[in-house]
Amino acid sequence: AQSVTQPDIHITVSEGASLELRCNYSYGATPYLFWYVQSPGQGLQLLLKYFSGDTLVQGIKGFEAEFKRSQSSFNLRKPSVHWSDAAEYFCAVGGVFGNEKLTFGTGTRLTIIP
Amino acid sequence: NAGVTQTPKFQVLKTGQSMTLQCAQDMNHEYMSWYRQDPGMGLRLIHYSVGAGITDQGEVPNGYNVSRSTTEDFPLRLLSAAPSQTSVYFCASGWTSRNTEAFFGQGTRLTVV
Repeated sequence: AQSVTQPDIHITVSEGASLELRCNYSYGATPYLFWYVQSPGQGLQLLLKYFSGDTLVQGIKGFEAEFKRSQSSFNLRKPSVHWSDAAEYFCAVGGVFGNEKLTFGTGTRLTIIP
Repeated sequence: NAGVTQTPKFQVLKTGQSMTLQCAQDMNHEYMSWYRQDPGMGLRLIHYSVGAGITDQGEVPNGYNVSRSTTEDFPLRLLSAAPSQTSVYFCASGWTSRNTEAFFGQGTRLTVV
């Protein structure tokens, strides 16, 4: 069964500092990987996705993520965070034809301090 | 440009009551799903549908029913509400390896007392 682990429940970063949110997945083949962001009281918005090809993917709001098959990881990064980046971030893995469930991690809450 | 519409946004139920959470999408997606979000547990899949007339169970289906009579609508029914069903519910549309992205509704915050 597919699964996602986000080891950091809560991260605090100073505004302007760099950010890395960790995500590890378990899936029997090449997965589809996603990062979503959820602002308080809102639904989920897609930041970026990986299906194949270049292992470094660019997303919206200046975020990027790198797929590392050998480490089963898909970490999210941003070189300089803004106060508006404070939110909860979810990593998700999706299967392919015949196993098309989207499985989420437990999320990482990001706090930005001035 | 509605996308995925969920109603209601907030609901309070008494234990044992039943209700239906509505979800509608206007993107002609085959795939729709329901998740519940609880603190520290992320989003857990309740039920999903790969097309009209086809539904299947997710990770936490007990206490919930779904049906898919049209492509647009995917209602979630709580048969006899329990306090353990207090949660935020999200409907999603569009994820399959063909559509490649799931679009989410704004959520329904349900409290069972």
